[in-house]
Amino acid sequence: KAGVTQTPRYLIKTRGQQVTLSCSPISGHRSVSWYQQTPGQGLQFLFEYFSETQRNKGNFPGRFSGRQFSNSRSEMNVSTLELGDSALYLCASSLQWTGGRDVDGYTFGSGTRLTVV
Amino acid sequence: AQKITQTQPGMFVQEKEAVTLDCTYDTSDQSYGLFWYKQPSSGEMIFLIYQGSYDEQNATEGRYSLNFQKARKSANLVISASQLGDSAMYFCAMREGVSSGSARQLTFGSGTQLTVLP
Repeated sequence: KAGVTQTPRYLIKTRGQQVTLSCSPISGHRSVSWYQQTPGQGLQFLFEYFSETQRNKGNFPGRFSGRQFSNSRSEMNVSTLELGDSALYLCASSLQWTGGRDVDGYTFGSGTRLTVV
Repeated sequence: AQKITQTQPGMFVQEKEAVTLDCTYDTSDQSYGLFWYKQPSSGEMIFLIYQGSYDEQNATEGRYSLNFQKARKSANLVISASQLGDSAMYFCAMREGVSSGSARQLTFGSGTQLTVLP
C-alpha cells in the first residue's frame, strides 16, 4: 500500500513569506501528526489531527497552524517565516486516536525540507 | 530533565558485527511505549521496533532487538550482523499515557549516527 506522501520535498522561501506543506496519510489512517526537525532542537512535536480536529499541540508560536480535511489529508501552514523555521518537517500517520498498541502507528513520510532565506 | 537520552552521538561498527545503541528515558507514567526509528540521509523516519511498558518479553524484529530494562529505564537497541545499509541516524522515542488514550505525541532523543565499516 502507498505510504505517507509529503509534498513538496524541497522548498525555498524568503523571510516574511508564508508556506503551506501537505501530507497525505496511508489510506485508512485518520490521525496525522507533524514534527519539526532541526540540527539544534532535534525532533519536536508540532500538532496532531484526528477526524479533522486538532487533538494536541506542541510548544510552537501561533504562526504555525494546521488543518485536516475529510479525506484525512493534512496541511500545515507557517506564516511570517523566520530564518529559524528552516527545518525538515515530517508528517506521521496512524490508524487511531485512542487505545490499542502503537506498533502499527506512526508511519512517517520522507519530509519536506524548508529553507528560509 | 530530558525525557529521552541518547548518549552516543556517533558509533562505528564493523560489517557483520553486532552493535548496541543506548537509550534511557524518564517518565512517571506506568503505561508508555518506546520506539526506535532509523533515519537515512533521505530524511524518512523508518520504524524499527516497539516495546510497551507492560510487555514482559524484549521485543525483536528480525536483526533488531530491544534490551528493555524497566527498573533502569533503559531501552537499548541491538542490531545483529550489521550491514552497510544500516548506516544512518537512529532515534529512540517514547509515547507516554498509552493506556489512557491521552496525548499521542512522540518525544525523541537526540539520535545516534551509526556508521557501518566494510
